[in-house]
Amino acid sequence: AQTVTQSQPEMSVQEAETVTLSCTYDTSESDYYLFWYKQPPSRQMILVIRQEAYKQQNATENRFSVNFQKAAKSFSLKISDSQLGDAAMYFCAYRSYYTGNQFYFGTGTSLTVIP
Amino acid sequence: EPEVTQTPSHQVTQMGQEVILRCVPISNHLYFYWYRQILGQKVEFLVSFYNNEISEKSEIFDDQFSVERPDGSNFTLKIRSTKLEDSAMYFCASSELGGPADTQYFGPGTRLTVL
Repeated sequence: AQTVTQSQPEMSVQEAETVTLSCTYDTSESDYYLFWYKQPPSRQMILVIRQEAYKQQNATENRFSVNFQKAAKSFSLKISDSQLGDAAMYFCAYRSYYTGNQFYFGTGTSLTVIP
Repeated sequence: EPEVTQTPSHQVTQMGQEVILRCVPISNHLYFYWYRQILGQKVEFLVSFYNNEISEKSEIFDDQFSVERPDGSNFTLKIRSTKLEDSAMYFCASSELGGPADTQYFGPGTRLTVL
């Protein structure tokens, strides 16, 4: 089974600074999708960014970008110009290209943004 | 923007009782999911549902659990004879197309406490 590991239970960043959240995964599949979801306190998880494994180019969404290292099975999230609204729990997730339905999530990283 | 909603936000029940957790997916979505997160652990997939049938389920989703779409808007998770270890946050999600690249939209969760 696929496993996703987030080794940083908590992270903090100064407002306007940059922070990188780590994620590694284990799979024997060659095609898959990777996701970062954000869960603000007492609110639902929302999709931040998605990466297709067959794409070499790292995905970017405004201030959010990923560093996808397929050989190393690493998928880190970089948040630039951090804002107070970025404070949340961040989940890394894996989804198989072949079986498709279910996510495999990491345990999450709680990000605090310091004003 | 349409959102997945869940009720109640917190449910407290006695061990051995039955509970029904309710979800209203986004209206034009066809695929529905339940996940759970035991405190301090990973978000785990329970079941996916399409066309009034379970399309995929995990090992966790045993005979104690059932899902239903009783009408055109609700999607429910029933847990029969609850156990202490069923205490968790339960998340509902929905997606439009159901493929591995499709975005799943999550609800805010129901916190189930079994005493």
